[in-house]
This record gives sequence, C-alpha cells and structure tokens, in this order.
Amino acid sequence: DSGVTQTPKHLITATGQRVTLRCSPRSGDLSVYWYQQSLDQGLQFLIQYYNGEERAKGNILERFSAQQFPDLHSELNLSSLELGDSALYFCASSVGGGTSGNEQFFGPGTRLTVL
Amino acid sequence: AQKVTQAQTEISVVEKEDVTLDCVYETRDTTYYLFWYKQPPSGELVFLIRRNSFDEQNEISGRYSWNFQKSTSSFNFTITASQVVDSAVYFCALSEVNNDYKLSFGAGTTVTVRA
Repeated sequence: DSGVTQTPKHLITATGQRVTLRCSPRSGDLSVYWYQQSLDQGLQFLIQYYNGEERAKGNILERFSAQQFPDLHSELNLSSLELGDSALYFCASSVGGGTSGNEQFFGPGTRLTVL
Repeated sequence: AQKVTQAQTEISVVEKEDVTLDCVYETRDTTYYLFWYKQPPSGELVFLIRRNSFDEQNEISGRYSWNFQKSTSSFNFTITASQVVDSAVYFCALSEVNNDYKLSFGAGTTVTVRA
C-alpha cells in the first residue's frame, strides 16, 4: 500500500458526460501528479500540483482540468467525455515540488470506461 | 521522440531463471533521475528504485539488481531466480531537470514467470 488513495476505483459513464476523480496524497506529500494509462498511448503525464498551485503540465486535453485543495487532496475533472478517454487514471504524490527527482508513489488508479 | 525505450515487449521465463530487462534513455540534461516501477496484474504501480545521474553504482536489493551505464545511456534491471510473483509489467522512467522533473515512461516490458 503506497498510502495514496483514489476514488472511485471504477467509473462507467456515457459519451458527453463529466466525471470527477479524487486523490488523497500520502501524509506529508505536497505534490500530486495525474497520469493517464491507455493501451495506445501508454503512461502519460497529465498535470502536477504542488501545495495548491499548478506546477507542471503535460499532455492534458482542454476538456480536462484539475485542482488541489488546501487539505492537499486533488480532483481531476474530465468533461465532454469521448470513447477515447477510456483509460486507467493514476494519481501519484511526492514530498518535493518537482524541483528534484523525488520518487513518486502511485495510487491504485481509477478505471474509467466511456460507453 | 521517445525518451525511454524498452525494446522488449514481452519476456517469458520459467521459475528460478534470471531475467534482464533493458532500458535505454535519451536526454541532454546532465542532471536527471531514472526509475523502475512494477505494475502487477492488480494494476497498481509500485516504486522499485530511483537513481540519479551522478551515481553510477550498481545496486542490489534482494533478488533485484540494477546496472546503470551512462556511457550507453542504459539502466537495466535484473531479477535473479525469478518467481511467479514477479509476473508483472515493468516500466522504466526518466525525470529531467529541464522537463520539470516530469516522469517520462517507457512502453513497459511484460514479464511472465511460469511455474
């Protein structure tokens, strides 16, 4: 158990809908990262937050957004969902703010299925 | 361009055999970090090791060992005396100072250990 929690574990929804994925980092970690794992794209970095502020952005679609709250939990919002958004979404956390190569500890993931 | 290449897509071995997973990376940074993660069938990503670019010492942890060679930009991973529980997908990842230390993952190598 990495100490990172993600809810829900599974999510099934329809095209055009909006969903929210939630992540709680390990105790003491200030950074939260979101990744998407799909069969065709592999593991892709989406976005990072550090202590409430956006720190780095990757290949995140405009239909997707995230935020980190004062209690350091984070939410990833996916809207206008398409079939291709079906994937495993991981949250990871680390102590540092992305200014050093701290190891990232991953949550169990949320499997999103868009029908 | 792919920053991390794991040329082996799948490896199948019989229990107690050794298995070596190759990882070749590409970076222009002098400061970077390399990682290995394990993804068992249950789906979570488990951190195995972090290596910084200034430390070329090989490392051994139980049945796991890592060989880092800057001259060939490789960070290979060996499982000695493999066991069925080692069956998983293994990912190599790179974190670069000039890329905000985002994790860039390879495509992964699926290891199947047969009893």
